[in-house]
Amino acid sequence: GENVEQHPSTLSVQEGDSAVIKCTYSDSASNYFPWYKQELGKRPQLIIDIRSNVGEKKDQRIAVTLNKTAKHFSLHITETQPEDSAVYFCAASKGGSYDKVIFGPGTSLSVIP
Amino acid sequence: GAGVSQSPRYKVAKRGQDVALRCDPISGHVSLFWYQQALGQGPEFLTYFQNEAQLDKSGLPSDRFFAERPEGSVSTLKIQRTQQEDSAVYLCASSLDRRITKQYFGPGTRLTVT
Repeated sequence: GENVEQHPSTLSVQEGDSAVIKCTYSDSASNYFPWYKQELGKRPQLIIDIRSNVGEKKDQRIAVTLNKTAKHFSLHITETQPEDSAVYFCAASKGGSYDKVIFGPGTSLSVIP
Repeated sequence: GAGVSQSPRYKVAKRGQDVALRCDPISGHVSLFWYQQALGQGPEFLTYFQNEAQLDKSGLPSDRFFAERPEGSVSTLKIQRTQQEDSAVYLCASSLDRRITKQYFGPGTRLTVT
């Protein structure tokens, strides 16, 4: 089955700097890759997702890149702000009519004011 | 509109007790997922419903875990004879249709087994 790894497990950046979180997946059939943000004690919320027919997607300060050949995808946050501090989870799925979504172990991001 | 809700938000059970956790998905959402989230870990898939049909229960850790969604809306996750290793946050998520798209998560039920 699918296995998703995520690095780093913790990340501290100065406010205004960029943050990059990287994930790898094992199943070459996976083609849907969402990213979720979970603040302490809160529910996970989708922040961006990408499907395998595109290599990059941007939404304001957030971007995701996908390399299907290497089976890895990354989250980029620019101009980080203290409210970006949270745990970020990547995930992978075959998409389509149904497939389970497999989550990575998470990256705890701290943005230092 | 209302998001996904779960109840209770916190549950303390003595080892050996049975518990029932409830999930109210967003009205009209076809797909419903249950996840188990241990402290410091990502959500781990437990089971999936498409309307009232349980299409995948491969993530349920043992036969003590049982889930249902009899009318295709509210779902209940039941854990029989709880064990300490069952302590975790149980998350429910729903999505609009059959395809894997944006999942809307509930706030979770934190289960502590003493």
